[in-house]
Amino acid sequence: DTGVSQDPRHKITKRGQNVTFRCDPISEHNRLYWYRQTLGQGPEFLTYFQNEAQLEKSRLLSDRFSAERPKGSFSTLEIQRTEQGDSAMYLCASSLSELQYEQYFGPGTRLTVT
Amino acid sequence: AQKVTQAQTEISVVEKEDVTLDCVYETRDTTYYLFWYKQPPSGELVFLIRRNSFDEQNEISGRYSWNFQKSTSSFNFTITASQVVDSAVYFCALSEARRGGSEKLVFGKGMKLTVNP
Repeated sequence: DTGVSQDPRHKITKRGQNVTFRCDPISEHNRLYWYRQTLGQGPEFLTYFQNEAQLEKSRLLSDRFSAERPKGSFSTLEIQRTEQGDSAMYLCASSLSELQYEQYFGPGTRLTVT
Repeated sequence: AQKVTQAQTEISVVEKEDVTLDCVYETRDTTYYLFWYKQPPSGELVFLIRRNSFDEQNEISGRYSWNFQKSTSSFNFTITASQVVDSAVYFCALSEARRGGSEKLVFGKGMKLTVNP
């Protein structure tokens, strides 16, 4: 059983460019979550999906951010017109929706905006 | 609003010492879940434990133990006989409990534990 995987692991981009990250959850996990973690802080919730439906979005998720999970399997998180403040670790997690409350995290994508 | 406070930001101990990581939470929900995660230097968050708000029984797993006290809104984590491999950042987290599974996690700021040989 493979864990949550994320790609790429590291991304360096110039301010103003668009970036897209991918997350593959644990198979059969129908809930998928995105979090953002900056240095010295705990992860902050961004959004989550149950299957292909996006159930909640944080106010942290500005209109430059969009997330999709088109077939209820993998998910993508896109950031348009990146800003230096977007530099962070982007974490993906997954869980089973029925009676399982722990979330299992991937290794993260570290974004650096120069 | 939900909030998790980990007052200690960093602790350094010598191997074999016991160490307790404090966690205090705030929520208006009557039913909720509490968690501890470990983030080693490699960066990946590792799930350690989940506790339901209606179950105040303490739990022990090897060198790890957890003390949940609803009256003081605390969920403390103790590592007995610490080892160098325990060096990591530890996060306490809270989520609502709704039918249908896990909701978003609200994390504390984390506590960096360094265990020296």
